[in-house]
Amino acid sequence: VQLVESGGGLVQPGKSLKLSCSASGFTFSSYGMHWIRQAPGKGLDWVAYISSSSGTVYADAVKGRFTISRDNAKNTLYLQLNSLKSEDTAIYYCARRGTMGPLLDYWGQGVMVTVSS
Amino acid sequence: DIVLTQSPATLSVTPGESVSLSCRASQGISTSIHWYQQKSNESPRLLIKYASQSISGIPSRFSGSGSGTDFTLSINRVESEDFSVYYCQQSYSLPLTFGSGTKLEIK
Repeated sequence: VQLVESGGGLVQPGKSLKLSCSASGFTFSSYGMHWIRQAPGKGLDWVAYISSSSGTVYADAVKGRFTISRDNAKNTLYLQLNSLKSEDTAIYYCARRGTMGPLLDYWGQGVMVTVSS
Repeated sequence: DIVLTQSPATLSVTPGESVSLSCRASQGISTSIHWYQQKSNESPRLLIKYASQSISGIPSRFSGSGSGTDFTLSINRVESEDFSVYYCQQSYSLPLTFGSGTKLEIK
């Protein structure tokens, strides 16, 4: 199992960014996927979840601003980040939902998003 | 939202000692708790699932216990590679939530 995030960078407040998570080593279409973030020096915060059938759930802090999606043909998970705020600055990890429930059995290496003017 | 409180925030130990890390939930969550290890500048790794179930490839010195609101991650005879931050996570209800972490450091 391998998960590789990309698309991070420095962005101004109010702007947008789209993160990608390329998956390999498993049948991507059969698994739910999560995004989790970690602000510098802080703990882990769950951001969003998409099921294998593309149902979605969001944390209140990002609802209406972030959109999680997937392209099973490309084995890729996405996170569209709009109306970015300084408090969205974090490492963003994609993670696979475990086969035995909503635990996170594999994680990517993470991608840094910095929101600053 | 379910709040997870981890204690202590930092634990200073000598290699070879055995330790217990605590995670307390704000409401009963059965055994829907999972433990992760995060080494410096790395992504988290799943250690224990559903409070006490082992994960393939994780050393047997790691074990978990508890149910309801009180959970414990135990490390039998800490090794140098174990010094990192440990997080608990609940899967009882959305949103998924994590504890604030316990940092295990060398004394």
